[in-house]
Amino acid sequence: NAGVTQTPKFRILKIGQSMTLQCTQDMNHNYMYWYRQDPGMGLKLIYYSVGAGITDKGEVPNGYNVSRSTTEDFPLRLELAAPSQTSVYFCASSQWDTEAFFGQGTRLTVV
Amino acid sequence: DQQVKQNSPSLSVQEGRISILNCDYTNSMFDYFLWYKKYPAEGPTFLISISSIKDKNEDGRFTVFLNKSAKHLSLHIVPSQPGDSAVYFCAANAGNMLTFGGGTRLMVKP
Repeated sequence: NAGVTQTPKFRILKIGQSMTLQCTQDMNHNYMYWYRQDPGMGLKLIYYSVGAGITDKGEVPNGYNVSRSTTEDFPLRLELAAPSQTSVYFCASSQWDTEAFFGQGTRLTVV
Repeated sequence: DQQVKQNSPSLSVQEGRISILNCDYTNSMFDYFLWYKKYPAEGPTFLISISSIKDKNEDGRFTVFLNKSAKHLSLHIVPSQPGDSAVYFCAANAGNMLTFGGGTRLMVKP
């Protein structure tokens, strides 16, 4: 019963590098989300998707890109990593706009 | 411009007593409210929710109250247990986006 799986769990990036945070869910949920949580702060929505082929910006989309080619997968792409992107990233999914289920998070440090 | 605010960053309660966590919001379009619990190094887990057409929802030791006129909701935990020690986030939904508060760290002392 995997739920929402994120990889990697930890990553250190150098400034200017790029990477993709992977997220997959096995609950056949339509909605998927990417959040970031900075120390002592709440979760801020980066991007979300209401179904395969449909994505939209959240509160803090700058510096990120997403795609949703399948129901299960919702990868988050960082093209030019910056120190301001040091954060913990959470992927979540939900069936319509009800309670979301979260992955365990990816802790990213940009140095 | 925070639409969902949790004004108490931390709360300490004795085991067996009531814990009351508060949350205020500004957007009157929010129609569904949720509470999440988060342990260190884990993702948030859903705890309880309430629709804007209700003013109370109960699930075991957890009760959420919604006061729409005051744009305020609260989570009551009775009785509090040491395992309840975690960060609690309230969240509000308007359409497709969940907006989270900053969280309240609850510490339940044995």
